[in-house]
Amino acid sequence: EDQVTQSPEALRLQEGESSSLNCSYTVSGLRGLFWYRQDPGKGPEFLFTLYSAGEEKEKERLKATLTKKESFLHITAPKPEDSATYLCALPMIYNQGGKLIFGQGTELSVKP
Amino acid sequence: DSGVTQTPKHLITATGQRVTLRCSPRSGDLSVYWYQQSLDQGLQFLIQYYNGEERAKGNILERFSAQQFPDLHSELNLSSLELGDSALYFCASSPQEGHFSRASYNEQFFGPGTRLTVL
Repeated sequence: EDQVTQSPEALRLQEGESSSLNCSYTVSGLRGLFWYRQDPGKGPEFLFTLYSAGEEKEKERLKATLTKKESFLHITAPKPEDSATYLCALPMIYNQGGKLIFGQGTELSVKP
Repeated sequence: DSGVTQTPKHLITATGQRVTLRCSPRSGDLSVYWYQQSLDQGLQFLIQYYNGEERAKGNILERFSAQQFPDLHSELNLSSLELGDSALYFCASSPQEGHFSRASYNEQFFGPGTRLTVL
């Protein structure tokens, strides 16, 4: 069964303190991965699509990378406005439409 | 703003009642997805419609049903409500039916959600 696991569950950083969030998965075959950001009580906001191992995408202070078994979301010199829950999601294929399986998320808190 | 709209924002009702949640997808998107998010379960896929037809189904309860209309908006109907149905319900939309290739990766964009409280 396909599974997505995110770690840590929660991460507290000081402003400017860089770190990484992890998303690991067990799938029958790599088919890419999505990253989303979610603020409390709001809908998930699309950040990145990663398709193949070795691929990297960047947006402001965020950089997402992908290997065959996991993805990392690196956050460089974070600011308080980066505080949110970060979700990774695995797209299903093989006649499952556009279904996504989400990890439980990493709740990031950045203190000034 | 993702371009996906959902109404109502909040809904408070009693056990045993029936409610309807509404979603309008982004302009041009043919797929609509419904997800449930509760504190203990995370974001769970319920159902997908593509151009009016059911395309994929998750662990959606029999008490729940959905449809997509010719103008592509969608409604999620929840009946015989229980306390455990209290959650955030999100709608998402995407241009295509599924994830077929890198050239046509099918990113989903989420609406602001409906918070359902069952008392």
